[in-house]
Amino acid sequence: QVHLVESGGGVVQPGRSLRLSCAGSGFTFRNYGMHWVRQAPGKGLEWVAGIWNDGRNQNYADSVRGRFTISRDNSKGTLFLQMTSLRAEDTAVYYCASDRSSRLLDHWGQGTLVTVSP
Amino acid sequence: DIQMTQSPSSLSASVGDRVTITCQASHDISNYLNWYQQKPGKAPKLLIFGASNLETGVPSRFSGSGSGTDFTFSISSLQPEDIATYYCQNYDSLPIFTFGPGTKVDIK
Repeated sequence: QVHLVESGGGVVQPGRSLRLSCAGSGFTFRNYGMHWVRQAPGKGLEWVAGIWNDGRNQNYADSVRGRFTISRDNSKGTLFLQMTSLRAEDTAVYYCASDRSSRLLDHWGQGTLVTVSP
Repeated sequence: DIQMTQSPSSLSASVGDRVTITCQASHDISNYLNWYQQKPGKAPKLLIFGASNLETGVPSRFSGSGSGTDFTFSISSLQPEDIATYYCQNYDSLPIFTFGPGTKVDIK
C-alpha cells in the first residue's frame, strides 16, 4: 500500500531556510505527480506546490513562488521542498501527497510541522 | 484565479440524517472538482473525484454531483465516524489546486 512519510520540520527563525523531505513507498513513485499542501494552525488546506512525475514541470502557489522550490529524486522515491526566506505565515503542518492523474491528491503523508518564530 | 466557496461553514446533524454541503466556483470549472474528508489530527482523505466519482474503498453513503459552478456533496446517513471537516478542491491543467474553506460536520 502507498506510504508517504514527511520529515525535516522544526522551529526556524524568520528569514532562514528549511528543507522538507517526503519518502514514498508501496507504489511506483516515478509514475505519480507529487504535491505539497500545508495547513496553518486551526486553518484550512492550502496547496503549496506540485511537480510532474518526471520532474520537468513545477507549479507554485503565489504565496510561495520565488521562495520555495519543489524537486524530486525518482531513483530514491523522494520528494523535497526547499523553503527559503521563511516568514511567520509559513508556520503550518506540511503534507506531501501523490497525484495519479494530475487531477487529485489520492494519498497523503502524516504531515510535518514547520514553526517560523524568532 | 478561481475562488471556491463552501456552505455552510459548519453544521450539526443527528446520526442517520442526510447531510448536504455545497461548493461554488467563481467561474465554470466543468467537473474538475474533488472532495476530501479530514478528521481531527489526521491527514485529509480523498472521497470523491471528478465531481461524482467515488474513490475506491469509500462507503457508498458519500456522493457528489454538479458541474460548471455549483456542486453538492452528500452523506446519505450520517455516522459517528463521519465527524470531520470536508473540503472541495478544484484543479486546472497545470495542475494548480484550489481548496474551498471547508465545512465542519459534527453530531447533534
